[in-house]
Amino acid sequence: GAVVSQHPSWVICKSGTSVKIECRSLDFQATTMFWYRQFPKQSLMLMATSNEGSKATYEQGVEKDKFLINHASLTLSTLTVTSAHPEDSSFYICSARDWGQVGQPQHFGDGTRLSIL
Amino acid sequence: DAKTTQPTSMDCAEGRAANLPCNHSTISGNEYVYWYRQIHSQGPQYIIHGLKNNETNEMASLIITEDRKSSTLILPHATLRDTAVYYCIVSHKAAGNKLTFGGGTRVLVKP
Repeated sequence: GAVVSQHPSWVICKSGTSVKIECRSLDFQATTMFWYRQFPKQSLMLMATSNEGSKATYEQGVEKDKFLINHASLTLSTLTVTSAHPEDSSFYICSARDWGQVGQPQHFGDGTRLSIL
Repeated sequence: DAKTTQPTSMDCAEGRAANLPCNHSTISGNEYVYWYRQIHSQGPQYIIHGLKNNETNEMASLIITEDRKSSTLILPHATLRDTAVYYCIVSHKAAGNKLTFGGGTRVLVKP
């Protein structure tokens, strides 16, 4: 089945650091990928839609200058958390879908746990 | 996207069938019903999806009512590994296939 790989799985860094998270579709092409954030004991919240070759679409309340998204190829999207602070600590998850088939489900990566000290 | 309503939690006995209900009374004709589950500290795992007809795969069965306003996910023989939060989501291509996660149902499978 479709596989989405996320890297790294765990990051601990100092406040003020920028952190890049990669999301790859391993066996299919994904013109669109999605980035979610999940705080403890809460559900997943969609942050942005990543479009290959164009600008990402951000959900209301998500700062586009803080969460930089680049989708340079059909199999890779990156999320960069710029100047991260402790309140950015969260579980970040990406998803992707094989857009060659209508109605096919999105598949999720295993997430990246970000801890800012 | 149409909203869904699920029970907050439910317990199931190991080895028995688990029936998870979901209401989506405002679903439109071209919206699919998707089910995912999330085991602690992992990304959501796709289970099954459907449009109108009932569906079955190696993980579960999906029963959609004729009016499409509700559905039931059936885990035929629950195991301890099925303990997770189960999400019922409706989504349509016109909305970019965004998945809006609600609170889901926290399922605890007990020995």
